Amino acid sequence: NAGVMQNPRHLVRRRGQEARLRCSPMKGHSHVYWYRQLPEEGLKFMVYLQKENIIDESGMPKERFSAEFPKEGPSILRIQQVVRGDSAAYFCASSPSLGPGGKNFGAGTRLSVL
Amino acid sequence: GIQVEQSPPDLILQEGANSTLRCNFSDSVNNLQWFHQNPWGQLINLFYIPSGTKQNGRLSATTVATERYSLLYISSSQTTDSGVYFCAVDTKAAGNKLTFGGGTRVLVKP
Repeated sequence: NAGVMQNPRHLVRRRGQEARLRCSPMKGHSHVYWYRQLPEEGLKFMVYLQKENIIDESGMPKERFSAEFPKEGPSILRIQQVVRGDSAAYFCASSPSLGPGGKNFGAGTRLSVL
Repeated sequence: GIQVEQSPPDLILQEGANSTLRCNFSDSVNNLQWFHQNPWGQLINLFYIPSGTKQNGRLSATTVATERYSLLYISSSQTTDSGVYFCAVDTKAAGNKLTFGGGTRVLVKP
């Protein structure tokens, strides 16, 4: 049973370009969470999604960032018109349902904006 | 929202030493997890421990939910234990999202 899969592992973009980060949850998991880790800091919650629904996006920046988790395929975190301050590690986690039980994290995508 | 504080912020150990990391949280929790972020940035799930005590090899953890703290014990530390240890919790009020502490950065010297 594969774990949470994120790709790409490393992504380099120039200022103004778009970044697309993908997350495939563990098999049987229908809840996906995105977190951002700025250099030398802890992880901060961004958004929580179930299939085709955004449940909580209270941690998402108001502009340029969006997330989706379609019925088929991976969850996508999209950052438009990237700026240097978007450089960070973006982690995805999944869980099978609400309630007790730990969340499993992917290896992360490290975004570098030149 | 819930506050999660970890101590100490930094820890330097000689190989073979034992240590205790602490995580304090400000509200009742549904879920508490300990993670190890290794020097390559990978986040390794160590324990899911909302209450009680668990052991896994040289690592063990105890959560006293009524007193709102958790402890992670590292025994006979090895250089591969180096990295940052994070505690993360979620609450009913927070709606199933994890809040991370600031981490304890551990360096084990040979």
